[in-house]
Amino acid sequence: EDKVVQSPLSLVVHEGDTVTLNCSYEVTNFRSLLWYKQEKKAPTFLFMLTSSGIEKKSGRLSSILDKKELFSILNITATQTGDSAVYLCAVGAPRLTFGTGTRLTIIP
Amino acid sequence: KAGVTQTPRYLIKTRGQQVTLSCSPISGHRSVSWYQQTPGQGLQFLFEYFSETQRNKGNFPGRFSGRQFSNSRSEMNVSTLELGDSALYLCASRGRSGKPYEQYFGPGTRLTVT
Repeated sequence: EDKVVQSPLSLVVHEGDTVTLNCSYEVTNFRSLLWYKQEKKAPTFLFMLTSSGIEKKSGRLSSILDKKELFSILNITATQTGDSAVYLCAVGAPRLTFGTGTRLTIIP
Repeated sequence: KAGVTQTPRYLIKTRGQQVTLSCSPISGHRSVSWYQQTPGQGLQFLFEYFSETQRNKGNFPGRFSGRQFSNSRSEMNVSTLELGDSALYLCASRGRSGKPYEQYFGPGTRLTVT
């Protein structure tokens, strides 16, 4: 059974700080790792990673995958209040197994 | 390009009743997956349909069923509702050319069972 563990469970930082969210996983047959952002609605797709060591970037967000050590990180630089959300990590394809998420709160 | 749509957005039902939820995928996507999200269990996979065939099924009782139509729209049915079925039901579609495993979620149907 696939397993995803995210840390920390919650994080409170000030606007402008940089944060790193962690995701470790165990899968029987790795295909992909996906990151989502969830506010008070459905998860919004951020990144999908399939190869080790290749950083995906979108503005202030970036993510990297380490398939040898079975983890991924999501970095957010120069955080803004709009970044406050639950960030979810999931593995598998197409059947996704999700972690419990990291609740990120940005204080103005 | 329109995103994934789900109807209804909110639903209140009584224990023992049944409910049908609908999901229309992004145009051109042929796969639809359903997930249940609760505060206690998080997001859990229910099933996936591709070209009208169920291809994967999660660990949910047989009261949860689904189907997919030829236009890729999908429905999920829950019979004999229990209080514990109260949840946000999300569907996700995939099938973007060159990126077949990227899944995009709809807004969800919030089901409350009383």
